Amino acid sequence: EAGVAQSPRYKIIEKRQSVAFWCNPISGHATLYWYQQILGQGPKLLIQFQNNGVVDDSQLPKDRFSAERLKGVDSTLKIQPAKLEDSAVYLCASSPYGGPQETQYFGPGTRLLVL
Amino acid sequence: SQQGEEDPQALSIQEGENATMNCSYKTSINNLQWYRQNSGRGLVHLILIRSNEREKHSGRLRVTLDTSKKSSSLLITASRAADTASYFCATDEGSTLTFGKGTMLLVSP
Repeated sequence: EAGVAQSPRYKIIEKRQSVAFWCNPISGHATLYWYQQILGQGPKLLIQFQNNGVVDDSQLPKDRFSAERLKGVDSTLKIQPAKLEDSAVYLCASSPYGGPQETQYFGPGTRLLVL
Repeated sequence: SQQGEEDPQALSIQEGENATMNCSYKTSINNLQWYRQNSGRGLVHLILIRSNEREKHSGRLRVTLDTSKKSSSLLITASRAADTASYFCATDEGSTLTFGKGTMLLVSP
């Protein structure tokens, strides 16, 4: 079974530029999550999708971050414009149905450096 | 918001020794999960313990949960160099998981 795929793996941009990350979850998984992990901290949930609907985006900085999962499969996360404090690893995860009792399967992450 | 807090922040042991790391949380939970993160395999689920369970085993892992103290511990027995990683507890907060800051474990050969 293929795991969660993410691209790119690394990205370096200058502040005020835009960047987009892509995630393809495990086939058949209804729930998709985007996390931000700053160095030395645990992952912080940015947004959770159930199929193509948003379940929770309470911690997404909506003035600069956006995410979509149009066909209920893969997803993109965009930052526009980027700030220095956005430097982090962006993790995508999926689970079969959703809910905190489920195991979440994580992708390798995209490491973003904002200069 | 951060629910779980792992302790210690870092732990260094020799191969063959046991490693114990703790997690404390603030509000009531239904489940608590432990995850491991290393550079090779990313973030991987290890074990889930429900609020009505006190102890759970999986291979060399033993997890305990004390809901009265709002704490959990993860014990890795007979550690190996491959166990070198960061370990995170994650608690359910509403419909989502909240991760702690993690414990960095270094196992030296």
